[in-house]
Amino acid sequence: RKEVEQDPGPFNVPEGATVAFNCTYSNSASQSFFWYRQDCRKEPKLLMSVYSSGNEDGRFTAQLNRASQYISLLIRDSKLSDSATYLCAVNSGTYKYIFGTGTRLKVLA
Amino acid sequence: GAVVSQHPSWVICKSGTSVKIECRSLDFQATTMFWYRQFPKQSLMLMATSNEGSKATYEQGVEKDKFLINHASLTLSTLTVTSAHPEDSSFYICSARDSSGRGGRTDTQYFGPGTRLTVL
Repeated sequence: RKEVEQDPGPFNVPEGATVAFNCTYSNSASQSFFWYRQDCRKEPKLLMSVYSSGNEDGRFTAQLNRASQYISLLIRDSKLSDSATYLCAVNSGTYKYIFGTGTRLKVLA
Repeated sequence: GAVVSQHPSWVICKSGTSVKIECRSLDFQATTMFWYRQFPKQSLMLMATSNEGSKATYEQGVEKDKFLINHASLTLSTLTVTSAHPEDSSFYICSARDSSGRGGRTDTQYFGPGTRLTVL
């Protein structure tokens, strides 16, 4: 089993839709979690960090479920500009991140 | 705030040459920087952890003699790909850990824009 797993997608959704991605992790000692957005041929950009139960920033909400060992990212009212790959990163306590393979999102007009 | 630069942004070189990539934290000090590699349609793979003033820590399977890392100051880490070959062609990305406690956390990594290496 991979340490961090994501559904690669792509998720094709119409503008205005709500979409959610999950990311599962295998190390129960993992302490902090991050969602990054990566556009094609660009570096990852921090979207949200999750340390306790969850975090919300505008249209984006991240939730952490320690019992089931997953984090989720919810995007409401999808915009065309939300089209990107969303990477989940897990910090297991040594400041090193383990990244998932990313989930591709395409928001369609 | 939390800006990380990388130079060069892209490089094309002949097989057998060495290529140096610089990673700088511009507005914060970074005792720890990380070097990743990303192949097309794949995720970021951590290559090594660069520690200021000490030796880098390499991930399993990464040749330390091929990928030389130097972290001579709190704002600069360099990765040198020695005797590059076509299979080393990839997108190399660095990140820097902001240990200052900005935003109440010391474990957030900020990424540089990446260096696209093509070895002919």
